[in-house]
Amino acid sequence: GAVVSQHPSRVICKSGTSVKIECRSLDFQATTMFWYRQFPKQSLMLMATSNEGSKATYEQGVEKDKFLINHASLTLSTLTVTSAHPEDSSFYICSARGGLAGGWGEQFFGPGTRLTVL
Amino acid sequence: SQQGEEDPQALSIQEGENATMNCSYKTSINNLQWYRQNSGRGLVHLILIRSNEREKHSGRLRVTLDTSKKSSSLLITASRAADTASYFCATKSYGKLTFGQGTILTVHP
Repeated sequence: GAVVSQHPSRVICKSGTSVKIECRSLDFQATTMFWYRQFPKQSLMLMATSNEGSKATYEQGVEKDKFLINHASLTLSTLTVTSAHPEDSSFYICSARGGLAGGWGEQFFGPGTRLTVL
Repeated sequence: SQQGEEDPQALSIQEGENATMNCSYKTSINNLQWYRQNSGRGLVHLILIRSNEREKHSGRLRVTLDTSKKSSSLLITASRAADTASYFCATKSYGKLTFGQGTILTVHP
C-alpha cells in the first residue's frame, strides 16, 4: 500500500508553546487528509478532514483555532497545536486518501506523533 | 462521534486458540474495515469488507458482516503471541472512517 509519514514521531513541549506536526504522502497525491487523536487505551477520534487547497472541516467539539490544519499541497498537511496544554497530550495520527475528494479511495495511515505537554 | 462498539474490550487467550472480536455500528455504511495497532504504534490495515459482502478471508483472518444486525466479527485462527495488539473496526460512511472502541487482544505463548 501507499506510504504516509509523520514528523516528528515524538515531541515534548512546554505548556503555552505551539507544536507543528507534518503529515506527508510519499508516493501518491492525497486529495484528502484526516487528523485523528487517540488518548491512552482509547479509540481514534476524528478531529478534522481537509481537502487540498480548502479549509479543513472540523468535527464537533474540536476547536479550530487551537488545532490549525493546513493542506497546502497534495502531499503535505500540517497540524499545529497552538498554546498547547497538558490536556492536549495525546497520540495524533494522520491519514491520507487519494482519488476524488469525498470518494472511495482507501485511507492510508501515518505512524502517529506522540505529543507530551509539560 | 464514535459509531462502533466492540466486544469484548479485552481478550486473553493461549497461543493456538482462536480469537473472536465483535463490532456493532449504528448507521448505514459503505464498507467496514479492521485494523490492528501495536502498543504506541500506528495502524495496520487488516481487511475490508464491503456492505454487499457477507464474509471475507485473508490468511488466518475471517471477517463476517451482517448489515441487518449492523454487526461484524473478526476471527483470528491459530493465534500467535505476535497477534497481541489492539484491534479496531472502522466503518466508512460518507467518505469518513469512524472507529470502534477496540478490543485489546493478549495471546500468551
